[in-house]
Amino acid sequence: QSVLTQPPSASGTPGQRVTIFCSGSSSNIGSNTVNWYQQLPGTAPKLLIYRNNQRPSGVPARFSGSKSGTSASLAIGGLQSEDEADYYCSAWDDSLNGHCVFGSGTKVTVL
Amino acid sequence: QLQLQESGPGLVKPSETLSLTCTVSGGSISSSSYYWAWIRQPPGKGLEWIGTVYYSGSTYYNPSLKSRVTISVDTSQKQFSLQLSSVTAADTAVYYCARHGGTSIQYSRFDPWGQGTLVSVSS
Repeated sequence: QSVLTQPPSASGTPGQRVTIFCSGSSSNIGSNTVNWYQQLPGTAPKLLIYRNNQRPSGVPARFSGSKSGTSASLAIGGLQSEDEADYYCSAWDDSLNGHCVFGSGTKVTVL
Repeated sequence: QLQLQESGPGLVKPSETLSLTCTVSGGSISSSSYYWAWIRQPPGKGLEWIGTVYYSGSTYYNPSLKSRVTISVDTSQKQFSLQLSSVTAADTAVYYCARHGGTSIQYSRFDPWGQGTLVSVSS
């Protein structure tokens, strides 16, 4: 069971806005920054958003992140077919001497 | 451009020790700004952080794996390694290495990642 809670799936048609939520607690999201990773089928995960809302160079502007309290969200504005992938949130957890936790992942399907 | 490459046996017998190495190229493994991590993904399942090592040798481990995990770093070879003891079929997974970077461990992220290597535990 993952420490961070994500919905197992989300979907949308091309051009739609899709939002994925990640719920945690005061010891992880509530205290530290959130990162998001995209995993295309058969490939290694790739950093999509870091420090809650920062995009690495090369990541399209349609991807955006935010955090409020013990929850975070990833929005894909203007969904495209190549966005069909698994998305994972992650944060450092200050409990138990500190450790990193991942969400269970959300499969985004482009209809 | 920093690149990471995992290497090691693809098949390990139950109760034995899984050993993997990650070789870093295109950058320094000794930078004070970065840590180095192992993450795994069982077939069809999500990501699980295994542990992280600093170039000085200090480590952080997943509490659920801590009793079986050792992560070490060899700066002269630009490598860091994972040992997981007493493996079972539940340890079958794709194992990734990644740079764990940021101003501090609490604000760090995994980037980039190696391509991953599948390790199966079977007799």
